Amino acid sequence: SQQGEEDPQALSIQEGENATMNCSYKTSINNLQWYRQNSGRGLVHLILIRSNEREKHSGRLRVTLDTSKKSSSLLITASRAADTASYFCATALYNFNKFYFGSGTKLNVKP
Amino acid sequence: EPEVTQTPSHQVTQMGQEVILRCVPISNHLYFYWYRQILGQKVEFLVSFYNNEISEKSEIFDDQFSVERPDGSNFTLKIRSTKLEDSAMYFCASRGGNEQFFGPGTRLTVL
Repeated sequence: SQQGEEDPQALSIQEGENATMNCSYKTSINNLQWYRQNSGRGLVHLILIRSNEREKHSGRLRVTLDTSKKSSSLLITASRAADTASYFCATALYNFNKFYFGSGTKLNVKP
Repeated sequence: EPEVTQTPSHQVTQMGQEVILRCVPISNHLYFYWYRQILGQKVEFLVSFYNNEISEKSEIFDDQFSVERPDGSNFTLKIRSTKLEDSAMYFCASRGGNEQFFGPGTRLTVL
């Protein structure tokens, strides 16, 4: 199975701290994407990293990709209460016909 | 900013009834997807669609499911005879480049 798995499953931190979530997957990919989902809502695309990239930044987000270990991490710096959500990684195979989502990390940022 | 829209936001139906979930993808996108998320579980791929035909489908997408692009704007998911276990959030997504954009979802409740 291609499915990604995130860890930890749940993370609780104080506002201002950094949050790191990890994702592992099983087969070769074209790219890996991170999404946020607020409770009961849709998925919001955060950032995409291609298989030939190692690190990418977007605002307070930093994503790394290690294709040799088949893993990625999402770092949210200086977290805010509004960052409270579930975070999912999704991997795309080379034909983009199918995307696999991980189980998600539920992040709680306490004010 | 263009967005994917879905209707209805919530659908309640009796077991055995047919339901049609509707999506309007972003207008210049060519690739379309349906996913589902059972409460508290991961997002699961159902089907991808391109050039008026299914590109790939998962094992979940059995004969009870069908997709259609009846006109230039809508993309529909039909479940012919709903089961209790079909209760879930159903997300539509569309893709132009590498990123998928998700709709807000339809919550399907089968009684």
